[in-house]
Amino acid sequence: AQKITQTQPGMFVQEKEAVTLDCTYDTSDQSYGLFWYKQPSSGEMIFLIYQGSYDEQNATEGRYSLNFQKARKSANLVISASQLGDSAMYFCAMKETQGGSEKLVFGKGTKLTVNP
Amino acid sequence: AAGVIQSPRHLIKEKRETATLKCYPIPRHDTVYWYQQGPGQDPQFLISFYEKMQSDKGSIPDRFSAQQFSDYHSELNMSSLELGDSALYFCASSLGGKEEGEKLFFGSGTQLSVL
Repeated sequence: AQKITQTQPGMFVQEKEAVTLDCTYDTSDQSYGLFWYKQPSSGEMIFLIYQGSYDEQNATEGRYSLNFQKARKSANLVISASQLGDSAMYFCAMKETQGGSEKLVFGKGTKLTVNP
Repeated sequence: AAGVIQSPRHLIKEKRETATLKCYPIPRHDTVYWYQQGPGQDPQFLISFYEKMQSDKGSIPDRFSAQQFSDYHSELNMSSLELGDSALYFCASSLGGKEEGEKLFFGSGTQLSVL
């Protein structure tokens, strides 16, 4: 079963506007972590933001914020004041713990295009 | 700040050849993960190491092997390469289990092309 769901294959936003990228997750763990990564066309995977399941406040990192709604199992990424350089693929991921080991499970990604 | 270093950045091989990918984690990071990302796909977990011991194994073919060395760098060895092995291979590192270990940082990846 898909553990991370990103329902938006592609999103478009005008420069300087805000955009929300959706992510829902499925887990029975009490403790887990949620991540967002940016992957530009050059290929590298850039860490953007992290939210722990016990964190009471939504995570923020500069223009990035995570709208964490635990009861709804959603962890949407909000990018404020979009810039042309924000055009990239964005992956939501969850740290999965099984048998004492941990790994990240990724969603299918959302391709964001920022228009001038 | 130091990041995860992967080499080589690009690698071209023929079918049935072997390839070795190297990963140097962020200093003090003791956990290394390997991921494979096919064209237009999300990254898929291959294998991970914690303190030089294999900690988890994902969808890694038997033709692939990996290890983590005493200096914490890791190598992914791939034999009998197939066309379908063409992908972007990422290494990531973390502080495994510690509070800051919640965050995984990725290298720039090795783009492997099998011809």
